[in-house]
Amino acid sequence: GDSVTQMEGPVTLSEEAFLTINCTYTATGYPSLFWYVQYPGEGLQLLLKATKADDKGSNKGFEATYRKETTSFHLEKGSVQVSDSAVYFCALKLMNTGNQFYFGTGTSLTVIP
Amino acid sequence: KAGVTQTPRYLIKTRGQQVTLSCSPISGHRSVSWYQQTPGQGLQFLFEYFSETQRNKGNFPGRFSGRQFSNSRSEMNVSTLELGDSALYLCASSPIVASGRVANEQFFGPGTRLTVL
Repeated sequence: GDSVTQMEGPVTLSEEAFLTINCTYTATGYPSLFWYVQYPGEGLQLLLKATKADDKGSNKGFEATYRKETTSFHLEKGSVQVSDSAVYFCALKLMNTGNQFYFGTGTSLTVIP
Repeated sequence: KAGVTQTPRYLIKTRGQQVTLSCSPISGHRSVSWYQQTPGQGLQFLFEYFSETQRNKGNFPGRFSGRQFSNSRSEMNVSTLELGDSALYLCASSPIVASGRVANEQFFGPGTRLTVL
């Protein structure tokens, strides 16, 4: 079935460290891929997205490239800040299946000063 | 534009009771989806409504139901509550793009935290 597998957390980094959160997917069709972020006590916010192979999504210093050959969509940021502490979710949506998203289990990130 | 709003934000019920949660999508959005978020299972899709019709349904028992009104507001209902229904219930809405299809993006509300005792 269609699914997303995310790197287990929690992840703790020092400020200005490099971040990678791995995400791989299994899909029967051609998915669009997303990263969402959830801050404590809030709902999910879209961080970035990519709708076809080799697309790169980017926002607020975060980047992810849609790699069809490795079925991956890893999230990266060159220099994390304390304010980046949150839970990050990788997700996929297939074409022509309504509006159902499949989410990974989430990776908790804590950035310490 | 106001974001997706969900009411109530917190709810405490006892086993066997039923509960109704409400979601108001962003103005103009016609697709509303519901998710259950728990520490063990993560985010699981419950169902999606579009123009008052359920278009997709996740793998949840019949105790979970929903509906959408003509103004796109949605409610979900859980009957005969179980302890395992304790979760954060998230609602998300999506706009329609120029082609008439639902946009490839969801906007989430803050959720309703349901505790079943």
